[in-house]
Amino acid sequence: AQKVTQAQTEISVVEKEDVTLDCVYETRDTTYYLFWYKQPPSGELVFLIRRNSFDEQNEISGRYSWNFQKSTSSFNFTITASQVVDSAVYFCALREGGATNKLIFGTGTLLAVQP
Amino acid sequence: NAGVTQTPKFQVLKTGQSMTLQCAQDMNHEYMSWYRQDPGMGLRLIHYSVGAGITDQGEVPNGYNVSRSTTEDFPLRLLSAAPSQTSVYFCASRPQGRRYEQYFGPGTRLTVT
Repeated sequence: AQKVTQAQTEISVVEKEDVTLDCVYETRDTTYYLFWYKQPPSGELVFLIRRNSFDEQNEISGRYSWNFQKSTSSFNFTITASQVVDSAVYFCALREGGATNKLIFGTGTLLAVQP
Repeated sequence: NAGVTQTPKFQVLKTGQSMTLQCAQDMNHEYMSWYRQDPGMGLRLIHYSVGAGITDQGEVPNGYNVSRSTTEDFPLRLLSAAPSQTSVYFCASRPQGRRYEQYFGPGTRLTVT
């Protein structure tokens, strides 16, 4: 069965610190997709990144970077030089390949960035 | 494009009442889904549809009905509201094709008393 674990329930950092949000997943499929979404205090869900199981390249987008490691079934998210605007709940999610629309979410990590 | 829209934004129901949460998208997406978000549990899939006339159950379908008569609309019906259905409900859509991400609506906050 597929499962996503975000063991960090809450993280608090001071502005300009780097922070890594962990995501560990379980799936039996060889083809799958991993996602990160951000949910700011306003409540909407904002898509951040998608990664498919065949692409293990790490990705950097500004202050955000993602580390995908199939060997450890992890897809971790790092924010460099955090800012107060990064305060949000961050969700990792998994979708297996095939004609399905089932997106399995982790329980989320609440990141609080203090000024 | 308006993207994914949901109405209402807030709703209070009494136990036993029924209602329909509306969801519409104007991006011609084939796939649509309903999720509920509860504290400490992330988002859980209620029902989904891979095209007009086709729906299927997700993780937590009990107490909810859906139908998909058009590509644009995917309403979620609560048949007899219970306090356990107090939650924030999100509708999402995406194009056909395995690599695409889901686009989420703004959510409906439902309280059942």
